[in-house]
Amino acid sequence: AQSVTQLGSHVSVSEGALVLLRCNYSSSVPPYLFWYVQYPNQGLQLLLKYTSAATLVKGINGFEAEFKKSETSFHLTKPSAHMSDAAEYFCAVSVNAGGTSYGKLTFGQGTILTVHP
Amino acid sequence: EPEVTQTPSHQVTQMGQEVILRCVPISNHLYFYWYRQILGQKVEFLVSFYNNEISEKSEIFDDQFSVERPDGSNFTLKIRSTKLEDSAMYFCASSEALWRLKAFFGQGTRLTVV
Repeated sequence: AQSVTQLGSHVSVSEGALVLLRCNYSSSVPPYLFWYVQYPNQGLQLLLKYTSAATLVKGINGFEAEFKKSETSFHLTKPSAHMSDAAEYFCAVSVNAGGTSYGKLTFGQGTILTVHP
Repeated sequence: EPEVTQTPSHQVTQMGQEVILRCVPISNHLYFYWYRQILGQKVEFLVSFYNNEISEKSEIFDDQFSVERPDGSNFTLKIRSTKLEDSAMYFCASSEALWRLKAFFGQGTRLTVV
């Protein structure tokens, strides 16, 4: 079975500072990895995904993530935080175990990002 | 961008009552999901649905739960006899095709069982 661990339930940065949200995964087969963002009173929105092509994945709003198999990590970064980035971020994994199971996502516990002026 | 819509946004129900959570997936999507998030815990997969039948379900999805796509546009989650521990945020999601690896989520229904 696959699992995801997000290190840090809360991360606080200053506007303009680097954003780094950590995610480690566990999977017995090659995973697909995702970052979702949830703004207040909204649904989960896909930021980016890794699907076994390039290990550095670029997403929306200037975010990117790097798949590191040796470290079983998929950390999310953004060079310069904006106030509008304040939200909750979820890392998730799915695996192609046959049939429709790779439609199912297993989530981490989420990281709340706060951006200070 | 098209949206998945969930109603109601918040529902309060008494323990033992039946509740139906409603979702309108994106119109050309074929795969449908329910997830839940108990306060302070992870978002958990409940069930996936394709071609008018359940394709996968978690151990959480016991006989108290059922899903239905009654009219080709709505996708519902029914909890027959709610328990206090069913209190959670319930998310509906839909996907056009599995190979796209992109699920669209609704804004959630917060269910409170009292």
